Formats: sequence, structure tokens, C-alpha cells
Amino acid sequence: GEKVEQHESTLSVREGDSAVINCTYTDTASSYFPWYKQEAGKSLHFVIDIRSNVDRKQSQRLIVLLDKKAKRFSLHITATQPEDSAIYFCAASMSSNNRIFFGDGTQLVVKP
Amino acid sequence: GPKVLQIPSHQIIDMGQMVTLNCDPVSNHLYFYWYKQILGQQMEFLVNFYNGKVMEKSKLFKDQFSVERPDGSYFTLKIQPTALEDSAVYFCASSSDWTRAEQFFGPGTRLTVL
Repeated sequence: GEKVEQHESTLSVREGDSAVINCTYTDTASSYFPWYKQEAGKSLHFVIDIRSNVDRKQSQRLIVLLDKKAKRFSLHITATQPEDSAIYFCAASMSSNNRIFFGDGTQLVVKP
Repeated sequence: GPKVLQIPSHQIIDMGQMVTLNCDPVSNHLYFYWYKQILGQQMEFLVNFYNGKVMEKSKLFKDQFSVERPDGSYFTLKIQPTALEDSAVYFCASSSDWTRAEQFFGPGTRLTVL
């Protein structure tokens, strides 16, 4: 089955800098890639997604890139703020079913 | 935004007993999911459910597991009997559209089996 790997287990940046979290997947049938954020003591919160028919998507300070050939996708957070600090999970799903495969999560720390 | 609720937040039971985890999904959602996360490990899919039926289940969804949503009430995960390896955090999720896959997650129920 699908295996999603998240390369950075922890990431520390200064407020205002950009943060990049990288993920890879194995199954070429995966076509939907959501990102979730989990703040301490809270549930997973959907932040942004990208589908395989595009290679870039932006929502305010969040940019996701998808390289289908390399089976890589990444989340870029620009102009980071302390409230961006959380665990970020990348995930992959196939279009034919809604089962989500998660990465292990990246703990992002934004230092003031 | 839309919220999924889970009851209880923590549950401690003895091995061999039955446990029911309750999920109150987003009100207009029709698709429901359970995921399991053992401490320090990845979150893994267990099962999804639509229109009163299990649509897909993973190998983690053992015969001792069952799900139901009687009469539009809670979406439940029942484990009978429980085993030590069932200790984990169980997350419920719901979505409104099968193909969009944007799932809204609950806060999780931490299950400890002694």
C-alpha cells in the first residue's frame, strides 16, 4: 500500500522566515494530498490540499508544491508567525477511495 | 468551523472487556472514519463507513472491532474483547463528499487497556 514519509521530524525557524516541510509518497495512484496541523492538545485541523491535476497551490501564506514524477510534495509557510507552531502532517489519498495515509508529522517551532 | 466531537476523551479498561468509543460527526456529513495512533507512531486508517455500511477496512480492523451509526446518532467504534495492543488514541473523522477527501477530525479518545 501507500507509504508517506515526512523528512523533517522537527523544524525550527525564526519568526518572519519561511518554513518548508517535505514529503514523499510511493503509490503513483495517489492523487490527493492534504495537509493537517495539530496544535498541542487539539485535534487535527485541515490547512490546505493539492490534487494531482496541478503542481502548485497557494492559500494566503501557505504554498503546496507537487512533483508527481519524483513523488514529492511540500508545504511552504511564508512569513512565519509564532502561532504557526504546531505539528504538521502531510498525507496522501487515492481518488478512488478516501482512505488517508499520513506521514509521521513535523514539529514546527517558530521562535519570536 | 465544523467540529467533530469524541466521547470520552480518555478510557481505561481491563483487557478482555468491551469498550465503545463515540463520535459525534459534523452534522451534514455522511462519510465517517476511524484512525488509530499508537504513541510515537504514525496515524493509521482503520475503517470508513457510509450509508450504514463499512466501505473499506485495513488489516488493523480486527474481527473484534465493529462500527455502526444507529439512527443518525453517534458513530461508534466497539472493541470486544479488548487486547493490550488496542491501547492507542483513536481519532474519528467525517467528510461531506467521498471524492473531496477533506476530513474533519475529532480530538481523539485515548484508550488504555490494562
